[in-house]
Amino acid sequence: AQSVTQLGSHVSVSEGALVLLRCNYSSSVPPYLFWYVQYPNQGLQLLLKYTSAATLVKGINDFEAEFKKSETSFHLTKPSAHMSDAAEYFCAVSSQGGKLIFGQGTELSVKP
Amino acid sequence: KAGVTQTPRYLIKTRGQQVTLSCSPISGHRSVSWYQQTPGQGLQFLFEYFSETQRNKGNFPGRFSGRQFSNSRSEMNVSTLELGDSALYLCASSLVADTSTDTQYFGPGTRLTVL
Repeated sequence: AQSVTQLGSHVSVSEGALVLLRCNYSSSVPPYLFWYVQYPNQGLQLLLKYTSAATLVKGINDFEAEFKKSETSFHLTKPSAHMSDAAEYFCAVSSQGGKLIFGQGTELSVKP
Repeated sequence: KAGVTQTPRYLIKTRGQQVTLSCSPISGHRSVSWYQQTPGQGLQFLFEYFSETQRNKGNFPGRFSGRQFSNSRSEMNVSTLELGDSALYLCASSLVADTSTDTQYFGPGTRLTVL
């Protein structure tokens, strides 16, 4: 069975600092992995998607994630945090039949 | 191109009532999935429809049902509402049939409160 674990339910960084949000997955087949962001009272917005074409995936708003098969990880990074990055971030793995399996989410706070 | 739209955005119901939520996918998208989001359980898959057929269902009781119309619009229905059904219900659409590889695009959600 596939699963996703996000390490750290809350992460706090200072504006301008590196953002690192951790995601580990479990999958018996080559996974398709996603990062979504959710702002308050909104739906999920796709940040980036891994489809095996390249291990380093670039997304919107300078986010990127690196797929590491040996570590079963897909951590999300951003070189310099902005106040507008404060939101909840979800890592997900796709399963058959239109089912996304989500991690529990990581709330990112950005301090001025 | 317009995104996924969901109506209504907010609903307040009482226990025992039933509710219907609506989702219009992105134009040209034929697959619609529904998810429930709660603080305790997180994001959980409800069901997925393609070409008016339910192809996959999550682990929810039979009180939760859905359907898809020929124009790909989808509705989900919850009967005999319970307090625990209070949640944000998210709809997502994707372009092709193989949603294990395709990207799902989410709507803003419907916030259901059961009193």
